[in-house]
Amino acid sequence: GNSVTQMEGPVTLSEEAFLTINCTYTATGYPSLFWYVQYPGEGLQLLLKATKADDKGSNKGFEATYRKETTSFHLEKGSVQVSDSAVYFCALSDTGNQFYFGTGTSLTVIP
Amino acid sequence: KAGVTQTPRYLIKTRGQQVTLSCSPISGHRSVSWYQQTPGQGLQFLFEYFSETQRNKGNFPGRFSGRQFSNSRSEMNVSTLELGDSALYLCASSLVLGSRGYTFGSGTRLTVV
Repeated sequence: GNSVTQMEGPVTLSEEAFLTINCTYTATGYPSLFWYVQYPGEGLQLLLKATKADDKGSNKGFEATYRKETTSFHLEKGSVQVSDSAVYFCALSDTGNQFYFGTGTSLTVIP
Repeated sequence: KAGVTQTPRYLIKTRGQQVTLSCSPISGHRSVSWYQQTPGQGLQFLFEYFSETQRNKGNFPGRFSGRQFSNSRSEMNVSTLELGDSALYLCASSLVLGSRGYTFGSGTRLTVV
């Protein structure tokens, strides 16, 4: 079946540090991959997406590359800010259009 | 344009009662999906509606039901509430099925006491 595995949190970084949140997936077929972000008290916001192998999604300094050979979609940012503190969810959408989410990784950035 | 609107934002109910949650999608979006978010289980898919028809359903008991109206607005109903139903219920809309990207609402926080 389909599933998404994210690195366990919480993650605490100093401002301007490099961020990596690992995400691997299991899927039949050719899924699309997503990163969503959830700020306290809010719903999920789409951060970036990639719809086929080797695609790179990017937004607000965040990047993730769809790696079919390693079934991964790791999220990276070169220099985090305090305002990036949130919970990040990796997700996949299969050909049946159903979404499968990882358990989320909480990020706290300290000044 | 207005985002996905969920009402109410907060709700407290007693075990055994039933509850109805509402979701208004982004104008022009015809697909609405519902998710339950809990600390223990994370985000779990409930169901998806498109053109007033349920197209997909997750592994939830029959106490959880939904519907979609002709204007694409959707409601979710939970009957005979249990303590374990306490969660953040998120609604997401997309233009059509297979549009490969949801827009989520802020959710309804349901507490069952």
